[in-house]
Amino acid sequence: SQQGEEDPQALSIQEGENATMNCSYKTSINNLQWYRQNSGRGLVHLILIRSNEREKHSGRLRVTLDTSKKSSSLLITASRAADTASYFCATDAQAGTALIFGKGTTLSVSS
Amino acid sequence: GAVVSQHPSRVICKSGTSVKIECRSLDFQATTMFWYRQFPKQSLMLMATSNEGSKATYEQGVEKDKFLINHASLTLSTLTVTSAHPEDSSFYICSASPFGGSTDTQYFGPGTRLTVL
Repeated sequence: SQQGEEDPQALSIQEGENATMNCSYKTSINNLQWYRQNSGRGLVHLILIRSNEREKHSGRLRVTLDTSKKSSSLLITASRAADTASYFCATDAQAGTALIFGKGTTLSVSS
Repeated sequence: GAVVSQHPSRVICKSGTSVKIECRSLDFQATTMFWYRQFPKQSLMLMATSNEGSKATYEQGVEKDKFLINHASLTLSTLTVTSAHPEDSSFYICSASPFGGSTDTQYFGPGTRLTVL
């Protein structure tokens, strides 16, 4: 089963612009993670935010988590063409259990 | 860092044949591995949880007799798609959770693309 929704489903921007993707989930979580997947390829782990954290940064990535609203956002600043990919959020109920993925956002960055 | 491999990376088979996909944790032991399926332009859907030395736990709607899972060692889980049909064509991805840790990070394999003709 899928945990939640991401929006938008698709996002097209120009290089240099910021991209914001949102994720909502339904049940309580241990942590929330974001992954990137290039077309036809495997997953690349981007960032993990724990349920007791509200914001986390990693390079050009900024993730927020609002457990009261059961939502998270991923911000990619100064986007590049190489950021073109699908982005998924994933949650787990506790450490070591299966990840439940959202439906994903397809990001297209044009140069 | 922790590495998970899958073999084969790509397989094409005829309808009615069985296909085995291997998932190996190369530099750590994994008591638990997970199998996901991803159809084109869709997200990953959990198929089953594979536990070393015991029967796999399947998600609702996943046929255990069609998708046979064997987790015979702490570094290897196999998924066998029996009597494959074109609707089984998909991208199959495994992940592994390291043994003995409460790690929050699972390590994903690169995936296996199955095409059933």
